[in-house]
This record gives sequence, C-alpha cells and structure tokens, in this order.
Amino acid sequence: NAGVTQTPKFQVLKTGQSMTLQCAQDMNHNSMYWYRQDPGMGLRLIYYSASEGTTDKGEVPNGYNVSRLNKREFSLRLESAAPSQTSVYFCASAMVDTQYFGPGTRLTVL
Amino acid sequence: SQKIEQNSEALNIQEGKTATLTCNYTNYSPAYLQWYRQDPGRGPVFLLLIRENEKEKRKERLKVTFDTTLKQSLFHITASQPADSATYLCAPTQGSGSARQLTFGSGTQLTVLP
Repeated sequence: NAGVTQTPKFQVLKTGQSMTLQCAQDMNHNSMYWYRQDPGMGLRLIYYSASEGTTDKGEVPNGYNVSRLNKREFSLRLESAAPSQTSVYFCASAMVDTQYFGPGTRLTVL
Repeated sequence: SQKIEQNSEALNIQEGKTATLTCNYTNYSPAYLQWYRQDPGRGPVFLLLIRENEKEKRKERLKVTFDTTLKQSLFHITASQPADSATYLCAPTQGSGSARQLTFGSGTQLTVLP
C-alpha cells in the first residue's frame, strides 16, 4: 500500500517548456487535489477532482490544466512554464474529510 | 475575504514542556478544523480533526480545542520531545460538497530543544 505517489521528485524547466506532473493513489479515494506550496504562503489549491470524470478550479488555477485519468490518477500539466510557477507541488487524495499527501515535486523554472 | 492566522512563524520550547500553537480564522464558519504536521521535504500528515460541536479532542500527547465564538483553535503537545520538531498546519474546513476544499494556514515551525 504505497498511499499517494508523485513523479518526478525534482524537475528543472526553462521558461516556455511544458511538462506533466503525475499523481497516483491506491486507497480507492474519490477526491484528489493539487496544491502548490511557496515559502510564507502555505498550501494553495490549484485544482481538485471530486470524483472520476470531474475537475474544478481551486484558488490558483491560472497556467495549469488537469486530467483525472481514472479513479487512481490525477495529473497536472503546465503548458508553458513561467518562473512564477517555481514551487513545490503536492498531490493529495481523500475519501471525505482527511487528506493524504504525496511526497511532493520540487519544480524550478529558469 | 477568508483569512487564517497561525501564531508566530517559529516557536522554540524546551524538551518536556507543553507547546501551544494557535490558529485564528476570520470570515469562516468551518464545520470542523484539522491539524497536520509537515516535516522538511515531505508532504503534510494528518494529526487530528475536531468538529464544531466538540470543545476538545485528545490523541496521546496531543490536545486540540475549538472555540467557534472566538474563531480559534489551540493545539497542544504535552511532554514535548525533539522528535516533535516540525511545521504544524491548521485547516478550517467548510462542510459542504463531496470534495472538501481545505484552506491551510501558513504554519508554525516548532523546534523542541533538548
């Protein structure tokens, strides 16, 4: 039982490049979330998915897209990376209340 | 707008003492409030959840209180140990919808000195 897994762990991009962050959970949770965490800002919700086939915007969705591929997987895509997207990205899943987080992806955009 | 404030960014205490962390919120009516622990380089880990009709909740050396009148939650760690050193995040949670959208405070970094 791996919980929530994220790939890659680290990534460096140049401005304008694209990439997809992958997230998978094996707890049969309905809801999945993507957050970014910046120093002094706390965790901010980018997008979430209440169930397979649905996605909704969170607090800071601009510059990102998501796909809920199936119940297990929820990916986050940066189409044209910008330096302002340098951050640590966390994926989480939940049945209802409590969220379980992955180990994070540290992304640097040069 | 909704706002969450956690007391001082950093808190240092001596081993064996009780650590008290504060979470204040405004423009919220949370159905419950959660506390998470985050270690450097890792994702947050759930610790405790307290509902609006509960005044206090305990788990081993942890105690949480929730005062909806003051709009405040206090998180206590008794007999603190160096292993308790971490950042602690509070998340008041509004209870509607099938997917709970948590809004996190920026956290309090606790250091327990041996």
